Amino acid sequence: DTGVSQNPRHKITKRGQNVTFRCDPISEHNRLYWYRQTLGQGPEFLTYFQNEAQLEKSRLLSDRFSAERPKGSFSTLEIQRTEQGDSAMYLCASSRLTWNEQFFGPGTRLTVL
Amino acid sequence: DQQVKQNSPSLSVQEGRISILNCDYTNSMFDYFLWYKKYPAEGPTFLISISSIKDKNEDGRFTVFLNKSAKHLSLHIVPSQPGDSAVYFCAASRSGGGADGLTFGKGTHLIIQP
Repeated sequence: DTGVSQNPRHKITKRGQNVTFRCDPISEHNRLYWYRQTLGQGPEFLTYFQNEAQLEKSRLLSDRFSAERPKGSFSTLEIQRTEQGDSAMYLCASSRLTWNEQFFGPGTRLTVL
Repeated sequence: DQQVKQNSPSLSVQEGRISILNCDYTNSMFDYFLWYKKYPAEGPTFLISISSIKDKNEDGRFTVFLNKSAKHLSLHIVPSQPGDSAVYFCAASRSGGGADGLTFGKGTHLIIQP
C-alpha cells in the first residue's frame, strides 16, 4: 500500500522540549499539507507545500513551528519549546496538482506533559 | 468564527435506513466541498466531493447535495450499514485548483443501530 505514512504515531514529551514529526506522502502527489486536530474539533490547516516550496501558512503556525520539504518528497514538522497547548493529533495529507481531494495519513498524536 | 458548521454532534440511525448528515457554510468564496469519514485512531478517509457548479454527486450508497443559495450541503447514505458508524467531517475549499488548506466542520458522529 502506498498511502500517506506518518512517524512516529505517538510522541510524549515534556514541556519545553523540541519534537519533530515526519510525513511521507503518496509518491506521485505534488502537494503536501499539515493539519492539527484537537478533541471535539475538525482538522485545522497549518501549512502546505507544492513540491519543495512552502506556499501557505496559517496564522495558527506560530514562530515555534517550522515545516520543511527539502526535496519535494517527505516533509518534517518541528515544534520548538513545546507547550501543553500543543498537545493534539498532527495530520499530514497529500494531493495531486489538479485535484481537490486530499488523502490523509494516520496522524501523530503529541502529548506534552 | 466557524466558516463550516456541522450542527449535529451525533446522529443515530437504524441499519438499512437513510442517514442524512448536514453541513452549512458561511464563506461564499468556497467552491468545492468534500466529505471525510474518520474512525478512532485513524486519519480522515475521503468519501465524496462536489464542485459548486453541480448540485448533486453520487457514488454508490453515498450522495452529496449542494444548495448554493442556502449555503448548505448534505450527505445521504442509503442504506446505512454498521460499518458506516464513524465521525463524518464536512470540508470546504476556496480554490478550484485545490491549492489551499481545507476548512473543516467539527464533525458528526454517526451511529448505526442494528
